[in-house]
Amino acid sequence: SQQGEEDPQALSIQEGENATMNCSYKTSINNLQWYRQNSGRGLVHLILIRSNEREKHSGRLRVTLDTSKKSSSLLITASRAADTASYFCASQKGQGAQKLVFGQGTRLTINP
Amino acid sequence: GAVVSQHPSWVICKSGTSVKIECRSLDFQATTMFWYRQFPKQSLMLMATSNEGSKATYEQGVEKDKFLINHASLTLSTLTVTSAHPEDSSFYICSAPKSGGAGELFFGEGSRLTVL
Repeated sequence: SQQGEEDPQALSIQEGENATMNCSYKTSINNLQWYRQNSGRGLVHLILIRSNEREKHSGRLRVTLDTSKKSSSLLITASRAADTASYFCASQKGQGAQKLVFGQGTRLTINP
Repeated sequence: GAVVSQHPSWVICKSGTSVKIECRSLDFQATTMFWYRQFPKQSLMLMATSNEGSKATYEQGVEKDKFLINHASLTLSTLTVTSAHPEDSSFYICSAPKSGGAGELFFGEGSRLTVL
């Protein structure tokens, strides 16, 4: 399988806590992206980190990338109940209109 | 922001019939669209890359005669599941790249197909 792996597969935390999800991929990449999916819905793009970047922030999101280990992490700080969703990392080999290879995803549940 | 519309959002059909799913980019042009398939609680598997004006590029193991893709215009790609069987029941999602972006994709809301 070309797909990467994510861990944990499922994560349940209390509102206000931080949530960390990890992702590994298999090939060299141009960028690594994170997406969110609410149950039964499409995916929403969260953040993109290029292969020459090590860390990126967007609001309560912090993404890191370690190309030597072919891994990335997504940190959501001060979680909210509305953050409950599945989160997927996706690797992209080239720039622009290139296909994404998705990880297995992490199902995050934020308990009020 | 850019919007990708997918229709129908759900469809139930009898085994042996064909089902067409449409994917439209509403406020931008998309020469390329991607079709993914997702089983319950699993990840997205790329089925094919739809190219406007030319043949689609299928991933290994995806039957091109089973899953017909047509990209007739810069805003519309269609996926037709031919002679559907229960094992084709799944969630199908299309996506299109952001114009001038670094590679981000805009996704449709998905189409849930149930074959009886």
